[in-house]
Amino acid sequence: DVKVTQSSRYLVKRTGEKVFLECVQDMDHENMFWYRQDPGLGLRLIYFSYDVKMKEKGDIPEGYSVSREKKERFSLILESASTNQTSMYLCATRYSNQPQHFGDGTRLSIL
Amino acid sequence: AQSVTQLGSHVSVSEGALVLLRCNYSSSVPPYLFWYVQYPNQGLQLLLKYTTGATLVKGINGFEAEFKKSETSFHLTKPSAHMSDAAEYFCAVSGGNTPLVFGKGTRLSVIA
Repeated sequence: DVKVTQSSRYLVKRTGEKVFLECVQDMDHENMFWYRQDPGLGLRLIYFSYDVKMKEKGDIPEGYSVSREKKERFSLILESASTNQTSMYLCATRYSNQPQHFGDGTRLSIL
Repeated sequence: AQSVTQLGSHVSVSEGALVLLRCNYSSSVPPYLFWYVQYPNQGLQLLLKYTTGATLVKGINGFEAEFKKSETSFHLTKPSAHMSDAAEYFCAVSGGNTPLVFGKGTRLSVIA
């Protein structure tokens, strides 16, 4: 089974802080994704990556950046956290056109 | 471009009753369709998928879905609901090797 590990289940940060959310996968998948999930809005794509050092903007990239220095690791960065970035963040991986596999999520609160 | 509409943000059924969760999609290319389930404080788990071939797809936990191209639908069904089916369900579409686009989700409640 594919294992997607997100570094924290719960995280509390302050407004203006730089926040790093880490995601690691063990299946050598090329594709990795970051979504945020909010009640009533479903999952919205923030950024994705098709390979090392490659990144593509999703539907809501503003206020976020990403880093993929190694194939197994995809980091989401909040440059200057704001309260409207309080959300559940979900990382996913995918091989070619197969289904996406998800981590358990990080519930991030910005105070 | 792809999009998904899930009809009903909340569905409530009695234990043992039929479960029907509705999903309509829009896609400019032949779609790949998925249903995922999310239990509280967990990530998403794949229930079933349609890529090509047979239009009636069987998944885990007794769920199935039928791809109807003429209706652009991919509704999820289960003949008899269990208490353990209570969760949030997401329909998703992609155009192959493109990121999945998700619907807003349907919360299923099962009443004893």
